[in-house]
Amino acid sequence: GAGVSQSPSNKVTEKGKDVELRCDPISGHTALYWYRQSLGQGLEFLIYFQGNSAPDKSGLPSDRFSAERTGGSVSTLTIQRTQQEDSAVYLCASSTSGGGDTQYFGPGTRLTVL
Amino acid sequence: AQSVSQHNHHVILSEAASLELGCNYSYGGTVNLFWYVQYPGQHLQLLLKYFSGDPLVKGIKGFEAEFIKSKFSFNLRKPSVQWSDTAEYFCAVNAPGNTGKLIFGQGTTLQVKP
Repeated sequence: GAGVSQSPSNKVTEKGKDVELRCDPISGHTALYWYRQSLGQGLEFLIYFQGNSAPDKSGLPSDRFSAERTGGSVSTLTIQRTQQEDSAVYLCASSTSGGGDTQYFGPGTRLTVL
Repeated sequence: AQSVSQHNHHVILSEAASLELGCNYSYGGTVNLFWYVQYPGQHLQLLLKYFSGDPLVKGIKGFEAEFIKSKFSFNLRKPSVQWSDTAEYFCAVNAPGNTGKLIFGQGTTLQVKP
């Protein structure tokens, strides 16, 4: 079946602009995660959604970062007033439920902030 | 805070050589452990996982890992590598009750020479 999809695959933006990154999880998966992969920091957890529970936002690096998940499916990660250090690959993953279930990753969005 | 340490950052092997990639984690309680692999140009995908039971876990493509609780380790092994194993390998930890987020190691780049 279809895997996790993300769009756009690449995004180039200017410093100070806002960007939105989209994630479509695997159908039926109630848990959705955002991670960031960068050269200096490796793979970092950003935020986690599980059903109707309050999201775990503990990994968001600053208040410029926010995410929402509408209707328990599609999620959007928004970065306001982008900075050069935001340049990274943003990965989305989903799993059947939370806890230790296997997470299935999307292809990522490569964000470049000039 | 939980952390994961991968000791080998870049490993170069010839085909048919044996592989062992080290992974240590810091967390005193029960953990779920994972190895993910990212082949060039592809998504992160699960190689194997340990939740409970037999500490020797077998995964896809002939990989296995052994959980040694006393050493807080979960090393990845393969008796004979192939050129197609060239990839980046990530060890990850999830503590049950910890919302399911994965804490990743820095990754190990494996290059297999034909």
